[in-house]
Amino acid sequence: EPEVTQTPSHQVTQMGQEVILRCVPISNHLYFYWYRQILGQKVEFLVSFYNNEISEKSEIFDDQFSVERPDGSNFTLKIRSTKLEDSAMYFCASSFKQGGNGYTFGSGTRLTVV
Amino acid sequence: RKEVEQDPGPFNVPEGATVAFNCTYSNSASQSFFWYRQDCRKEPKLLMSVYSSGNEDGRFTAQLNRASQYISLLIRDSKLSDSATYLCVVKGSQGNLIFGKGTKLSVKP
Repeated sequence: EPEVTQTPSHQVTQMGQEVILRCVPISNHLYFYWYRQILGQKVEFLVSFYNNEISEKSEIFDDQFSVERPDGSNFTLKIRSTKLEDSAMYFCASSFKQGGNGYTFGSGTRLTVV
Repeated sequence: RKEVEQDPGPFNVPEGATVAFNCTYSNSASQSFFWYRQDCRKEPKLLMSVYSSGNEDGRFTAQLNRASQYISLLIRDSKLSDSATYLCVVKGSQGNLIFGKGTKLSVKP
């Protein structure tokens, strides 16, 4: 079964540092997403990406966040200057159609900001 | 009112029990609804979509009441492997998914 692959599985970074979380979506999927889940909280939408541009973003996705699809296979989330409150599980997802049943999540990157 | 609201549980049930989870959503214009399952520290996985007429998949039955903005999930003959957090999910207007906080289920031998 096709998978969404995320690396690394766990990243520890110092406050103020930049991090890049990487994702390889399913190859024929067209829509890409990042979600995050703070420990003990609900899964929250960050951003959706289609046709090489952001199609929607939430209030959480402020100027410190950016996304890129640099080479047609990877989909990255960059956090420019990490804060303690950025510590969370970050899930990448992809789908063939916009939302709906075809959503597949990656296994996540656990980001710990110290 | 929260966008998607669920009873957090936990629900502790014996094997073989029937258990029901409820969920309410705030946006009456919502069109697509799902139940996801999330194991501890893992990614959410789609359990089933929820259709207006109600739908069943083996031991799992989902119901939607649009008038009350209410979604339910019924699990019959619970197995130990059903222990997880069940997430009620509503699709937003731009294709993003709006998650409830989840209901934790623990099935005991």
